[in-house]
Amino acid sequence: DAGITQSPRHKVTETGTPVTLRCHQTENHRYMYWYRQDPGHGLRLIHYSYGVKDTDKGEVSDGYSVSRSKTEDFLLTLESATSSQTSVYFCATAVESGANVLTFGAGSRLTVL
Amino acid sequence: AQSVTQLDSQVPVFEEAPVELRCNYSSSVSVYLFWYVQYPNQGLQLLLKYLSGSTLVKGINGFEAEFNKSQTSFHLRKPSVHISDTAEYFCAVVGYQKVTFGTGTKLQVIP
Repeated sequence: DAGITQSPRHKVTETGTPVTLRCHQTENHRYMYWYRQDPGHGLRLIHYSYGVKDTDKGEVSDGYSVSRSKTEDFLLTLESATSSQTSVYFCATAVESGANVLTFGAGSRLTVL
Repeated sequence: AQSVTQLDSQVPVFEEAPVELRCNYSSSVSVYLFWYVQYPNQGLQLLLKYLSGSTLVKGINGFEAEFNKSQTSFHLRKPSVHISDTAEYFCAVVGYQKVTFGTGTKLQVIP
């Protein structure tokens, strides 16, 4: 395993507040991803990173921003949380893109009231 | 553009019975195909993958899948399921370095 730690694992917050989720990996994988999982939608890519300070948008990036200042850390920020962002968020890593296997963290469950 | 379709959102099956979870994809380029499994309150983990070569791929826990290019399918099978196989299963397609997941199939094994 890539040794992926997500924090916090559970969070309840109110509409309009900023929220930051952290993903920390210990295996020096180049690629890091943030997905959200919702019933009936499977996993949808929010943002990804292909190196330090190199990030790009996924299919559902509106309302989210990311930062990667170190290889091991990838932060996901909800600038002003909305109820539609209530979801389970998963971080994943890969050595390279393409055919490489994704290794997932345990998830962060966010509830926005 | 690429897409993945998992038509069955839930599949109930009795213990020791065989099961097939269906996955169809569309893509304008050659793809790599994966199945991931998610146990309750956990992240996804790799079950098996098809990159090239033999179209029959064997994975962990007795699962296998067959790549059928003409039918654009990658169905997952197990000849005899166990209670411990109760989980959600996701098919994923990788093309042009982009990963697309299906919506998942919940396998419920009935004692």
